[in-house]
Amino acid sequence: KAGVTQTPRYLIKTRGQQVTLSCSPISGHRSVSWYQQTPGQGLQFLFEYFSETQRNKGNFPGRFSGRQFSNSRSEMNVSTLELGDSALYLCASSLVGGAGGKTEAFFGQGTRLTVV
Amino acid sequence: GEDVEQSLFLSVREGDSSVINCTYTDSSSTYLYWYKQEPGAGLQLLTYIFSNMDMKQDQRLTVLLNKKDKHLSLRIADTQTGDSAIYFCALDGGSYIPTFGRGTSLIVHP
Repeated sequence: KAGVTQTPRYLIKTRGQQVTLSCSPISGHRSVSWYQQTPGQGLQFLFEYFSETQRNKGNFPGRFSGRQFSNSRSEMNVSTLELGDSALYLCASSLVGGAGGKTEAFFGQGTRLTVV
Repeated sequence: GEDVEQSLFLSVREGDSSVINCTYTDSSSTYLYWYKQEPGAGLQLLTYIFSNMDMKQDQRLTVLLNKKDKHLSLRIADTQTGDSAIYFCALDGGSYIPTFGRGTSLIVHP
């Protein structure tokens, strides 16, 4: 079956602009999570969507937002880009899972965002 | 919240064993995971261990869990150059979302 697809793979934006990243989860997966990966901070959790609702949120400013559509595809938006937003943004999908249940996350290849 | 710590780098010679360590603070996790990230790729689940187990072996991989010391380790036997990657430990902390460590870069040299 097809894996998690993230588009675009690479983006270059200017400070102050906004950007939208897309993630298509594995068919049947209803949970989509977003992570920011940087050399300095490692892998940081942004938010998780399940059935079109944001279920969990990390500690990022309000410039970072997301949404999930009825087909489970998800988008992430960053407004008023800053140089520090340059990172690899990873999306992961998983089956429903419950708290304490085995939650294997399947990751996409990521979108490399460079802010200049 | 959960705090997961890993050393940032590990360098080994090809053919040797690699041991990647992870310590954590919250003992409520049911599952503990090891993920691998190769250059230019996303993370891929390597193996996992259920919290009531002490050890799990899967071919060249051995996972050890010491719940008393809150210590998780991944041993890779006969390390190959293809094992060069970043390895992340992750814990579910009893929630939907696993908490990841910062990752350990494994460098395998001939």
